[in-house]
Amino acid sequence: QKEVEQDPGPLSVPEGAIVSLNCTYSNSAFQYFMWYRQYSRKGPELLMYTYSSGNKEDGRFTAQVDKSSKYISLFIRDSQPSDSATYLCAMSGGNFGNEKLTFGTGTRLTIIP
Amino acid sequence: DVKVTQSSRYLVKRTGEKVFLECVQDMDHENMFWYRQDPGLGLRLIYFSYDVKMKEKGDIPEGYSVSREKKERFSLILESASTNQTSMYLCATTAGTRQLTDTQYFGPGTRLTVL
Repeated sequence: QKEVEQDPGPLSVPEGAIVSLNCTYSNSAFQYFMWYRQYSRKGPELLMYTYSSGNKEDGRFTAQVDKSSKYISLFIRDSQPSDSATYLCAMSGGNFGNEKLTFGTGTRLTIIP
Repeated sequence: DVKVTQSSRYLVKRTGEKVFLECVQDMDHENMFWYRQDPGLGLRLIYFSYDVKMKEKGDIPEGYSVSREKKERFSLILESASTNQTSMYLCATTAGTRQLTDTQYFGPGTRLTVL
């Protein structure tokens, strides 16, 4: 079993819809959770990060962490065609910046105009 | 802004060749990482380095080596390229401050094809 599971999609939704992206994990030592966005033929770029359980909002994006269920989510409100990309979840044990990240396989998202 | 550059965007090599992939960062970051990204497998860590001349094996180091002679430069070496090393290679860096905001910044990637 992989440490981090992520539905690879592809996921297609109409413009303006709410998108929900999810990852589950098995390692209870994970404390630091990130979402990266990767456009085609580019490197991943950090979208959001959260520490431990709870919610974090940044504009149209909301990240949720439920450590009791070992489940993290990224919500995108009012989705735009420019949100079309692959979204990767990543996590680590909390030694911020000084340890490797464990990534999900990524979900490919397409927003249809 | 952190700038992480990689020497080539696309590279085609033949089986058995020695291949060098270079990564350069301009923000004086302590830590540098090499990943490969494959469909269905996500990003997997090959090697990382916490300091000049230091290196640590990641999850899949077999068939690879690394070199970090200067703080800003981290090289990935394929000693004898094989077709199963065809992949997208991504370099990443972190400052090493142990702050919550210290997360990984990625380069644009090198897509390597081994024939």
